[in-house]
Amino acid sequence: DARVTQTPRHKVTEMGQEVTMRCQPILGHNTVFWYRQTMMQGLELLAYFRNRAPLDDSGMPKDRFSAEMPDATLATLKIQPSEPRDSAVYFCASGLEYGELFFGEGSRLTVL
Amino acid sequence: AQTVTQSQPEMSVQEAETVTLSCTYDTSENNYYLFWYKQPPSRQMILVIRQEAYKQQNATENRFSVNFQKAAKSFSLKISDSQLGDTAMYFCAFKRIRDDKIIFGKGTRLHILP
Repeated sequence: DARVTQTPRHKVTEMGQEVTMRCQPILGHNTVFWYRQTMMQGLELLAYFRNRAPLDDSGMPKDRFSAEMPDATLATLKIQPSEPRDSAVYFCASGLEYGELFFGEGSRLTVL
Repeated sequence: AQTVTQSQPEMSVQEAETVTLSCTYDTSENNYYLFWYKQPPSRQMILVIRQEAYKQQNATENRFSVNFQKAAKSFSLKISDSQLGDTAMYFCAFKRIRDDKIIFGKGTRLHILP
């Protein structure tokens, strides 16, 4: 049963700490997305990759967020330093170019 | 820029009733995809139904069907014989054919009451 796998499921950290979230996309999918979900803003697109190349990270605060895809089986989203306003659920999703997205279960981040 | 609007933040219906969730979108494109995703309390985002804009026939998946009105840029979701397990947040989403990005609405929280 192919699925997008995200780790960690939950993370509580203190302001100023580095946070790394990881995602394993579905094998064969060539697009990978990072979304952030909050009550106020809903689902916001942070960054996405096609064939491992970053195509759009305009939704991401550049000074503290970075997204990479070191190989086809791993995408990472890093926040350094983290702030309380970064508290949210972060979703990774993968798909093919002309199809729907398949989402992971999300990583709930709490920054104290 | 494309936008997706869901005008009903929250709805409640009795079990076994039929409910319709509204969605409108704004685009100058002629070819695109539309989706409805469901997010139950478990938080998992699940694809419910998909519609290609070039298809006139409305998509259906078991108890779920859409009313796609291209000229009006409307894409509503109808849930027939609603079940307690349908309780979730429902997101309408848009994707241009020549783009990878999917744009989501703010969501409608649906409660199915016993």
